[in-house]
Amino acid sequence: EADIYQTPRYLVIGTGKKITLECSQTMGHDKMYWYQQDPGMELHLIHYSYGVNSTEKGDLSSESTVSRIRTEHFPLTLESARPSHTSQYLCASSEWSDSNEQFFGPGTRLTVL
Amino acid sequence: DQQVKQNSPSLSVQEGRISILNCDYTNSMFDYFLWYKKYPAEGPTFLISISSIKDKNEDGRFTVFLNKSAKHLSLHIVPSQPGDSAVYFCAASKWRGAQKLVFGQGTRLTINP
Repeated sequence: EADIYQTPRYLVIGTGKKITLECSQTMGHDKMYWYQQDPGMELHLIHYSYGVNSTEKGDLSSESTVSRIRTEHFPLTLESARPSHTSQYLCASSEWSDSNEQFFGPGTRLTVL
Repeated sequence: DQQVKQNSPSLSVQEGRISILNCDYTNSMFDYFLWYKKYPAEGPTFLISISSIKDKNEDGRFTVFLNKSAKHLSLHIVPSQPGDSAVYFCAASKWRGAQKLVFGQGTRLTINP
């Protein structure tokens, strides 16, 4: 069973605030990902990491930043939230194997007023 | 440029009948495909996958068919059950074990009793 957690699940915040979305996994996976999804749209990869101290930008440009100081933890930070950042943010992880299966967390629904 | 397309935003099927969800892709470099299922307020969960060296993969009630020449894949669910009501995402990658998945926009399947 996949064990990947995201907090908070829902966040409503005002413009200009700094926010950090937390993502943790207990499976020891080296690879972790952040996706952004709007309703009725595809998931867009915004950041990924191959392991500790490794981070890469994804296919969709994002003003957010990420860090990977510990294997199990992959937080995403927005320095100054804007209404255009309103979306669902999904964290995922996978292991180094032939399988492309990624395990997803429950997501954080962010609303910026 | 959307490389993975699910042209039906929604599908309604009667319980016990077959559900067929379709997915088209444009990038001929894709050779590994996955289907994910997503319930509201949860992250996507892996359902079934197929490699380009196959044209069919079966797992219980779920079968995925791949037509490489048409750049088309489909997911068949038979018999459909009420618990199958969810959003289904098709995803593709350039090789098995790749870090990046490209997702379609999803199809909302509703199973009617």
